[in-house]
Amino acid sequence: NAGVTQTPKFQVLKTGQSMTLQCAQDMNHEYMSWYRQDPGMGLRLIHYSVGAGITDQGEVPNGYNVSRSTTEDFPLRLLSAAPSQTSVYFCASSQRLSTDTQYFGPGTRLTVL
Amino acid sequence: AQRVTQPEKLLSVFKGAPVELKCNYSYSGSPELFWYVQYSRQRLQLLLRHISRESIKGFTADLNKGETSFHLKKPFAQEEDSAMYYCALIGGSQGNLIFGKGTKLSVKP
Repeated sequence: NAGVTQTPKFQVLKTGQSMTLQCAQDMNHEYMSWYRQDPGMGLRLIHYSVGAGITDQGEVPNGYNVSRSTTEDFPLRLLSAAPSQTSVYFCASSQRLSTDTQYFGPGTRLTVL
Repeated sequence: AQRVTQPEKLLSVFKGAPVELKCNYSYSGSPELFWYVQYSRQRLQLLLRHISRESIKGFTADLNKGETSFHLKKPFAQEEDSAMYYCALIGGSQGNLIFGKGTKLSVKP
Protein backbone atom coordinates (compact mmCIF):
# COMPACT_ATOMS: atom_id res chain seq x y z
CA ASN A 1 0.00 0.00 0.00
CA ALA A 2 1.91 3.03 -1.30
CA GLY A 3 -0.65 5.64 -0.20
CA VAL A 4 -0.47 8.83 -2.25
CA THR A 5 2.35 9.04 -4.76
CA GLN A 6 3.46 12.02 -6.82
CA THR A 7 5.83 12.35 -9.74
CA PRO A 8 8.15 14.00 -10.43
CA LYS A 9 9.72 15.10 -7.16
CA PHE A 10 11.48 18.05 -8.77
CA GLN A 11 10.92 19.86 -12.05
CA VAL A 12 12.36 22.93 -13.72
CA LEU A 13 10.42 24.52 -16.56
CA LYS A 14 10.87 27.49 -18.80
CA THR A 15 8.15 30.09 -19.05
CA GLY A 16 5.51 28.97 -21.51
CA GLN A 17 6.22 25.26 -21.27
CA SER A 18 3.48 22.84 -20.30
CA MET A 19 3.66 19.79 -18.11
CA THR A 20 1.61 17.36 -16.07
CA LEU A 21 2.13 16.60 -12.41
CA GLN A 22 1.07 13.07 -11.65
CA CYS A 23 -0.82 11.95 -8.56
CA ALA A 24 -2.04 8.47 -7.74
CA GLN A 25 -3.52 6.77 -4.70
CA ASP A 26 -4.16 3.10 -4.01
CA MET A 27 -6.59 3.48 -1.11
CA ASN A 28 -9.74 3.63 -3.24
CA HIS A 29 -10.38 7.16 -2.01
CA GLU A 30 -13.14 9.14 -3.66
CA TYR A 31 -11.94 12.64 -2.74
CA MET A 32 -8.69 13.98 -4.23
CA SER A 33 -7.26 17.45 -4.29
CA TRP A 34 -4.29 19.55 -5.32
CA TYR A 35 -2.70 22.26 -3.19
CA ARG A 36 0.17 24.62 -3.70
CA GLN A 37 2.38 25.59 -0.81
CA ASP A 38 4.13 28.94 -0.89
CA PRO A 39 6.22 30.57 1.86
CA GLY A 40 4.03 32.71 4.09
CA MET A 41 0.89 31.64 2.24
CA GLY A 42 0.20 28.22 3.67
CA LEU A 43 -1.57 25.68 1.47
CA ARG A 44 -4.07 26.86 -1.08
CA LEU A 45 -6.51 24.61 -2.88
CA ILE A 46 -6.14 24.53 -6.67
CA HIS A 47 -8.64 21.89 -7.82
CA TYR A 48 -10.43 18.98 -6.27
CA SER A 49 -12.48 15.95 -7.26
CA VAL A 50 -15.20 14.12 -5.37
CA GLY A 51 -15.08 11.08 -7.64
CA ALA A 52 -14.16 9.81 -11.08
CA GLY A 53 -15.43 12.15 -13.75
CA ILE A 54 -16.13 15.01 -11.32
CA THR A 55 -13.79 17.94 -10.77
CA ASP A 56 -14.19 21.45 -9.46
CA GLN A 57 -12.14 24.57 -8.87
CA GLY A 58 -10.58 25.57 -5.62
CA GLU A 59 -9.21 28.88 -4.44
CA VAL A 60 -6.46 29.34 -7.05
CA PRO A 61 -7.40 27.41 -10.23
CA ASN A 62 -6.13 29.79 -12.91
CA GLY A 63 -3.43 28.32 -15.13
CA TYR A 64 -4.18 24.74 -14.10
CA ASN A 65 -6.36 21.97 -15.48
CA VAL A 66 -7.33 18.65 -13.97
CA SER A 67 -9.19 15.52 -14.98
CA ARG A 68 -10.28 12.42 -13.11
CA SER A 69 -10.80 9.53 -15.48
CA THR A 70 -10.14 6.89 -12.81
CA THR A 71 -10.53 6.73 -9.04
CA GLU A 72 -6.78 6.27 -8.63
CA ASP A 73 -5.32 9.10 -10.71
CA PHE A 74 -5.69 12.87 -10.52
CA PRO A 75 -3.15 14.63 -12.77
CA LEU A 76 -2.59 18.38 -12.64
CA ARG A 77 -1.72 20.12 -15.91
CA LEU A 78 0.08 23.40 -16.23
CA LEU A 79 -0.97 24.80 -19.58
CA SER A 80 1.65 27.52 -20.02
CA ALA A 81 3.98 27.76 -17.07
CA ALA A 82 4.66 31.14 -15.49
CA PRO A 83 7.22 32.13 -12.81
CA SER A 84 4.28 32.75 -10.43
CA GLN A 85 3.63 29.01 -10.53
CA THR A 86 6.95 28.27 -8.88
CA SER A 87 5.81 26.41 -5.78
CA VAL A 88 5.59 23.07 -4.03
CA TYR A 89 2.55 21.11 -5.13
CA PHE A 90 0.82 18.59 -2.91
CA CYS A 91 -1.78 16.07 -3.86
CA ALA A 92 -4.08 14.72 -1.17
CA SER A 93 -6.83 12.14 -0.93
CA SER A 94 -9.47 11.12 1.57
CA GLN A 95 -12.01 8.38 1.77
CA ARG A 96 -15.09 10.27 0.77
CA LEU A 97 -15.32 13.82 1.96
CA SER A 98 -12.98 16.67 2.69
CA THR A 99 -13.93 16.15 6.34
CA ASP A 100 -12.24 12.77 6.35
CA THR A 101 -8.55 12.59 7.19
CA GLN A 102 -6.55 13.90 4.26
CA TYR A 103 -3.55 11.82 3.18
CA PHE A 104 -0.89 13.86 1.46
CA GLY A 105 1.66 12.95 -1.15
CA PRO A 106 5.34 13.84 -0.78
CA GLY A 107 5.07 16.89 -2.99
CA THR A 108 6.53 18.13 -6.27
CA ARG A 109 8.88 21.10 -6.17
CA LEU A 110 8.40 23.10 -9.36
CA THR A 111 10.56 25.97 -10.52
CA VAL A 112 9.56 28.06 -13.51
CA LEU A 113 12.33 30.19 -14.98
CA ALA B 1 -15.40 35.15 4.89
CA GLN B 2 -14.18 31.87 6.30
CA ARG B 3 -10.54 31.93 7.19
CA VAL B 4 -7.91 30.62 9.55
CA THR B 5 -5.36 32.90 11.15
CA GLN B 6 -2.11 31.71 12.64
CA PRO B 7 -0.51 34.89 13.96
CA GLU B 8 2.98 33.50 14.52
CA LYS B 9 5.19 32.58 11.60
CA LEU B 10 7.86 31.24 13.90
CA LEU B 11 7.76 30.05 17.48
CA SER B 12 10.98 29.14 19.22
CA VAL B 13 11.06 27.43 22.63
CA PHE B 14 13.51 25.41 24.69
CA LYS B 15 13.14 21.69 25.28
CA GLY B 16 10.87 21.03 28.23
CA ALA B 17 9.07 24.36 27.99
CA PRO B 18 5.32 24.59 27.35
CA VAL B 19 4.19 25.26 23.81
CA GLU B 20 1.09 26.99 22.53
CA LEU B 21 0.53 27.43 18.81
CA LYS B 22 -2.24 29.91 18.21
CA CYS B 23 -5.07 29.46 15.75
CA ASN B 24 -8.08 31.72 15.31
CA TYR B 25 -10.84 31.15 12.84
CA SER B 26 -13.67 32.96 11.18
CA TYR B 27 -16.69 30.77 10.51
CA SER B 28 -20.42 31.05 10.98
CA GLY B 29 -21.84 27.92 12.50
CA SER B 30 -20.09 24.96 14.09
CA PRO B 31 -16.63 24.59 12.56
CA GLU B 32 -14.70 21.39 12.01
CA LEU B 33 -11.10 22.13 12.87
CA PHE B 34 -7.85 20.27 12.39
CA TRP B 35 -4.15 20.54 13.07
CA TYR B 36 -1.80 19.18 10.43
CA VAL B 37 1.96 18.85 10.89
CA GLN B 38 4.84 18.67 8.44
CA TYR B 39 8.15 17.41 9.80
CA SER B 40 11.32 18.16 7.90
CA ARG B 41 11.47 16.20 4.64
CA GLN B 42 8.21 14.42 5.41
CA ARG B 43 4.75 14.77 4.01
CA LEU B 44 1.98 16.69 5.67
CA GLN B 45 -0.04 14.55 8.09
CA LEU B 46 -3.00 14.94 10.37
CA LEU B 47 -2.06 15.62 13.98
CA LEU B 48 -5.49 15.91 15.51
CA ARG B 49 -9.07 17.00 14.88
CA HIS B 50 -11.30 18.66 17.40
CA ILE B 51 -14.24 16.28 17.06
CA SER B 52 -12.18 13.33 18.26
CA ARG B 53 -10.92 15.22 21.33
CA GLU B 54 -7.82 13.05 21.47
CA SER B 55 -4.25 13.74 22.45
CA ILE B 56 -1.59 12.92 19.89
CA LYS B 57 2.11 13.00 20.77
CA GLY B 58 1.18 14.94 23.90
CA PHE B 59 -0.57 17.70 21.95
CA THR B 60 -4.10 18.82 22.71
CA ALA B 61 -6.33 21.47 21.23
CA ASP B 62 -9.56 22.81 22.62
CA LEU B 63 -12.17 24.56 20.58
CA ASN B 64 -13.19 27.85 22.18
CA LYS B 65 -16.20 29.13 20.30
CA GLY B 66 -16.40 32.32 22.34
CA GLU B 67 -12.88 33.32 21.34
CA THR B 68 -13.09 31.52 17.96
CA SER B 69 -9.81 29.80 18.74
CA PHE B 70 -8.33 26.33 18.44
CA HIS B 71 -4.90 26.68 19.98
CA LEU B 72 -2.53 23.71 20.00
CA LYS B 73 -0.80 23.03 23.31
CA LYS B 74 1.82 20.75 24.74
CA PRO B 75 3.06 21.00 28.32
CA PHE B 76 6.66 19.94 27.64
CA ALA B 77 8.15 20.46 24.20
CA GLN B 78 10.56 17.92 22.71
CA GLU B 79 13.16 18.52 20.01
CA GLU B 80 11.31 16.12 17.73
CA ASP B 81 8.31 18.44 17.83
CA SER B 82 10.17 20.87 15.60
CA ALA B 83 8.05 21.13 12.47
CA MET B 84 5.64 23.25 10.50
CA TYR B 85 2.15 23.27 11.97
CA TYR B 86 -0.98 24.16 10.05
CA CYS B 87 -4.40 24.85 11.47
CA ALA B 88 -7.28 24.14 9.09
CA LEU B 89 -11.04 24.19 8.98
CA ILE B 90 -13.69 22.78 6.70
CA GLY B 91 -15.24 25.69 4.86
CA GLY B 92 -15.82 27.32 1.53
CA SER B 93 -18.78 26.79 -0.71
CA GLN B 94 -17.86 23.14 -1.27
CA GLY B 95 -16.72 22.24 2.22
CA ASN B 96 -13.03 21.96 1.48
CA LEU B 97 -10.09 22.35 3.84
CA ILE B 98 -9.00 25.94 4.39
CA PHE B 99 -5.49 26.19 5.82
CA GLY B 100 -3.83 28.86 7.85
CA LYS B 101 -0.42 30.13 6.78
CA GLY B 102 1.35 27.89 9.23
CA THR B 103 3.64 28.29 12.22
CA LYS B 104 7.15 26.93 12.28
CA LEU B 105 7.95 25.50 15.69
CA SER B 106 11.59 25.27 16.63
CA VAL B 107 12.46 23.44 19.85
CA LYS B 108 16.00 24.14 21.00
CA PRO B 109 18.01 21.76 23.19
